[in-house]
Amino acid sequence: EAGVAQSPRYKIIEKRQSVAFWCNPISGHATLYWYQQILGQGPKLLIQFQNNGVVDDSQLPKDRFSAERLKGVDSTLKIQPAKLEDSAVYLCASSLRALVVAGEPNEQFFGPGTRLTVL
Amino acid sequence: AQSVTQLDSQVPVFEEAPVELRCNYSSSVSVYLFWYVQYPNQGLQLLLKYLSGSTLVKGINGFEAEFNKSQTSFHLRKPSVHISDTAEYFCAVSDRIQGAQKLVFGQGTRLTINP
Repeated sequence: EAGVAQSPRYKIIEKRQSVAFWCNPISGHATLYWYQQILGQGPKLLIQFQNNGVVDDSQLPKDRFSAERLKGVDSTLKIQPAKLEDSAVYLCASSLRALVVAGEPNEQFFGPGTRLTVL
Repeated sequence: AQSVTQLDSQVPVFEEAPVELRCNYSSSVSVYLFWYVQYPNQGLQLLLKYLSGSTLVKGINGFEAEFNKSQTSFHLRKPSVHISDTAEYFCAVSDRIQGAQKLVFGQGTRLTINP
């Protein structure tokens, strides 16, 4: 079974430029997550999709970050314009469902991440 | 709101020695607990999880963790480490309530195995 795919793996841009990341979840997974992992910190959830609808985007800086999941499969995360503090690894994860059902949480499967450096 | 504290940012140990990575959490509700491992330039991989039942949970690669409700801890242990265990380890918590599941991660512990 193929895992979560992300591209590009590395990106270097200058501040105020725009950048986009792509994620392809595991086939059949309804839920997709984007996390930001700053060096020395744990991943922080940016946005969560259930199919093509947003479940939680409370920690997404909406003035510069946007994300979409058209057709409920692939997703793109965009930063426009980028700031120095956006330098981080952006992780995509997917799970079968978003919901905790019958006492069983859904395992999230993570992609390799995109390492963004903003100069 | 939930939070997770990993008490050690770095843990160096010698090969074949035992190791314990510490994790404490805070939450106003009952929780699920997880340990993830991140090898260099890779995504996170689930090591083990505590859902309910026995407080001692066994995971992959010989790791185990013990849930202690009174101390709000979920420490990760391995009796004998190998060079290949060198990685970053993250403890995470999720609410035990019906509805959308949200993982909150600790800041990570870098485990370095010396020969």
